[in-house]
Amino acid sequence: KAGVTQTPRYLIKTRGQQVTLSCSPISGHRSVSWYQQTPGQGLQFLFEYFSETQRNKGNFPGRFSGRQFSNSRSEMNVSTLELGDSALYLCASSWGQSSYNEQFFGPGTRLTVL
Amino acid sequence: DAKTTQPNSMESNEEEPVHLPCNHSTISGTDYIHWYRQLPSQGPEYVIHGLTSNVNNRMASLAIAEDRKSSTLILHRATLRDAAVYYCILRDLDGSSNTGKLIFGQGTTLQVKP
Repeated sequence: KAGVTQTPRYLIKTRGQQVTLSCSPISGHRSVSWYQQTPGQGLQFLFEYFSETQRNKGNFPGRFSGRQFSNSRSEMNVSTLELGDSALYLCASSWGQSSYNEQFFGPGTRLTVL
Repeated sequence: DAKTTQPNSMESNEEEPVHLPCNHSTISGTDYIHWYRQLPSQGPEYVIHGLTSNVNNRMASLAIAEDRKSSTLILHRATLRDAAVYYCILRDLDGSSNTGKLIFGQGTTLQVKP
């Protein structure tokens, strides 16, 4: 079974631009979560989607948004990029929404904002 | 959310056992103890989880204190591939807060020396 895939793997943008990152969960998984990882803040939860609905949101500004499609694939968007948005963005999928379910992570998208 | 405390770093020799401690003095009765690890340049991966009893799987063992205020992840024979950041995470299984969200601390960076 293929793992979680994220595209693109690397991205370079400039301040003020916007970016869209994509995540394809493991086949059959309906829950997708997004995380931001930086050296200073570590791994921080962004949001969680289940059956196309956002179920949980972390403490990030409104510039960060996401959505989930009917095939469970998910995208996250960051508008008006800032230097501090440079980070590794990780996507995780699980079969269900329960906190019991193991989360499977993708390799991440490395975003650099210049 | 209940908080966990882990040492910043630990060292081990290859082929020797490693005991990674985690303190969670404010754990609630419905919190499961989960461990994830993040190998260099990869997303986190699930290692093991437990509630009250000690648990074993192919990757590791989890020893949980009787009062549940601390736990220890045990790698029976460390290999170079086990060099990673290990995260101890509490996940609430109360049905009213079902979520896939993981709250990561700073984790323990494990170095394995040949």
